Amino acid sequence: GESVGLHLPTLSVQEGDNSIINCAYSNSASDYFIWYKQESGKGPQFIIDIRSNMDKRQGQRVTVLLNKTVKHLSLQIAATQPGDSAVYFCAENIIVGDMRFGAGTRLTVKP
Amino acid sequence: KAGVTQTPRYLIKTRGQQVTLSCSPISGHRSVSWYQQTPGQGLQFLFEYFSETQRNKGNFPGRFSGRQFSNSRSEMNVSTLELGDSALYLCASSSGDSVYQETQYFGPGTRLLVL
Repeated sequence: GESVGLHLPTLSVQEGDNSIINCAYSNSASDYFIWYKQESGKGPQFIIDIRSNMDKRQGQRVTVLLNKTVKHLSLQIAATQPGDSAVYFCAENIIVGDMRFGAGTRLTVKP
Repeated sequence: KAGVTQTPRYLIKTRGQQVTLSCSPISGHRSVSWYQQTPGQGLQFLFEYFSETQRNKGNFPGRFSGRQFSNSRSEMNVSTLELGDSALYLCASSSGDSVYQETQYFGPGTRLLVL
């Protein structure tokens, strides 16, 4: 069936380096994507979103890239900081109100 | 603007009991979605309410139900609790004003433990 999946379950980076978290989706009808960050004991926190009519969107220290040809989404975090350590989820939307989440990638930032 | 709030934050129940969880969306938001998060299944969509009507529903048994009030606050109920219902229950709100999905903002969740 259609699903959202992440390539890497864990990612460890050095403080100050750039991080790239990848996500593959299989539903070509998905038209909206969100990246969330979830820290232990908290709900998912919105980071950045992108619609299917775009291929790149930038925020503060974060960039999301969407490649519809290969159904791939990535989150780039510049100058990764210890506070960025968390689990990152990509989510896709097909039907209003229903976001489908990937398994998540745990990002660990080493000082 | 205050964020999404959920009550209670923690709950312990025994098998066979029922439970009601509450969610207050961001002021002005009319869409509320509920999700279940477990280590094994990840984040799974339960249902979504807009203007007091359930618009969409995920693949969960009928023991899981919800409702939304005129002030957009929402409750979800789980009847005849099973051990496998132990999870973090999250609600998320969005404006709901567009035919297209808009950003969903999550609450802190309710941690339910079924013994």
